[in-house]
Amino acid sequence: SQTIHQWPATLVQPVGSPLSLECTVEGTSNPNLYWYRQAAGRGLQLLFYSVGIGQISSEVPQNLSASRPQDRQFILSSKKLLLSDSGFYLCAWSGEAGDDTEAFFGQGTRLTVV
Amino acid sequence: SQQGEEDPQALSIQEGENATMNCSYKTSINNLQWYRQNSGRGLVHLILIRSNEREKHSGRLRVTLDTSKKSSSLLITASRAADTASYFCATDAGEYGNKLVFGAGTILRVKS
Repeated sequence: SQTIHQWPATLVQPVGSPLSLECTVEGTSNPNLYWYRQAAGRGLQLLFYSVGIGQISSEVPQNLSASRPQDRQFILSSKKLLLSDSGFYLCAWSGEAGDDTEAFFGQGTRLTVV
Repeated sequence: SQQGEEDPQALSIQEGENATMNCSYKTSINNLQWYRQNSGRGLVHLILIRSNEREKHSGRLRVTLDTSKKSSSLLITASRAADTASYFCATDAGEYGNKLVFGAGTILRVKS
């Protein structure tokens, strides 16, 4: 069966520090991968999605970047965090393009930038 | 940018009542999906309805889709306190990579 791992669960980082959040998927190959951010009490904002290794689409220009060094690994990074980067970050995967497929979410990382 | 917009933003009902949430979207879609999120957790998929379908059922859930109005509704019948959560619609416009775009969600509170 497929599983998705996202870590850490919570993170407190000072302004100006770097960020690296990692997400890995098991039990499937060539998944679509997504990073979303959720502000408190709000909906999900799509940040990045990827249909394959090295293929990243950025939805919102901002202080973050994403990379997909391996088929089932998706990393969200920042060189210098801003206060506005605080939020709940969710990684998700779905089946290959062309399928009517649902998305499976990790448990999220709550990032607080102080 | 968000594709789907849910209403109401918040809904409070008594246990046993039905809860209806609506979602509107802007572009053509391949399918529309509904998800549930318990506080502080990841999202869980509830149901998917394809663009050529008008209604779908799953247990106590009933989803309708009106592509002419670009809208969908989620009905939860005989609600339970455990249904308390946030509910989101998401649209798959069939773009590059089955990109899923979520709405702002409806916060449902079921009082026992």
